[in-house]
Amino acid sequence: AQSVAQPEDQVNVAEGNPLTVKCTYSVSGNPYLFWYVQYPNRGLQFLLKYITGDNLVKGSYGFEAEFNKSQTSFHLKKPSALVSDSALYFCAVRDINTDKLIFGTGTRLQVFP
Amino acid sequence: EAGVVQSPRYKIIEKKQPVAFWCNPISGHNTLYWYLQNLGQGPELLIRYENEEAVDDSQLPKDRFSAERLKGVDSTLKIQPAELGDSAVYLCASSLEQGAIGELFFGEGSRLTVL
Repeated sequence: AQSVAQPEDQVNVAEGNPLTVKCTYSVSGNPYLFWYVQYPNRGLQFLLKYITGDNLVKGSYGFEAEFNKSQTSFHLKKPSALVSDSALYFCAVRDINTDKLIFGTGTRLQVFP
Repeated sequence: EAGVVQSPRYKIIEKKQPVAFWCNPISGHNTLYWYLQNLGQGPELLIRYENEEAVDDSQLPKDRFSAERLKGVDSTLKIQPAELGDSAVYLCASSLEQGAIGELFFGEGSRLTVL
């Protein structure tokens, strides 16, 4: 079965420091991978996706993600965190058998001033 | 351009009562999704529409949940009767592309509390 795992419930980082939010996946075939962000009491917003091509994908708000096939990972990164980046982040993978998105359980990012 | 609009934002009902949620997708988006999001969890798909056709309703509990998208635009999700375990956020999303390959645009959600 296709799945994603987000091993950290929460990530804490100081403003200005680099941040990484981890995601690993399990799929058959080539993965379609996504990152979404959810601010409090809001719906999810698309950040970026990987389908094919360069392993480093650039997205919204200065975020990027690195696709690593050998480690089956798709970690979200940002060189310099902002307090306004504090939110809930979801990794998702396309289930090729059912053509639906499977979301991870989410990682809460807390950026401290 | 208006985003995905959902109403109501909040609903509190007693168990066994009916409830309905409404969603208006982004204009031109033929694909519409209803997701369920429990506290501390990622969204789980309930139903996906391509135009007015429900192409994936395998996760919709059909004994109490129903959905419709009669004209291929806005959609309604109904629960009758509601149970305590239905307390959650119901998210609507739309997409320009068919299938799970493109960006999903989510509404702000309808938070249901069943007492």
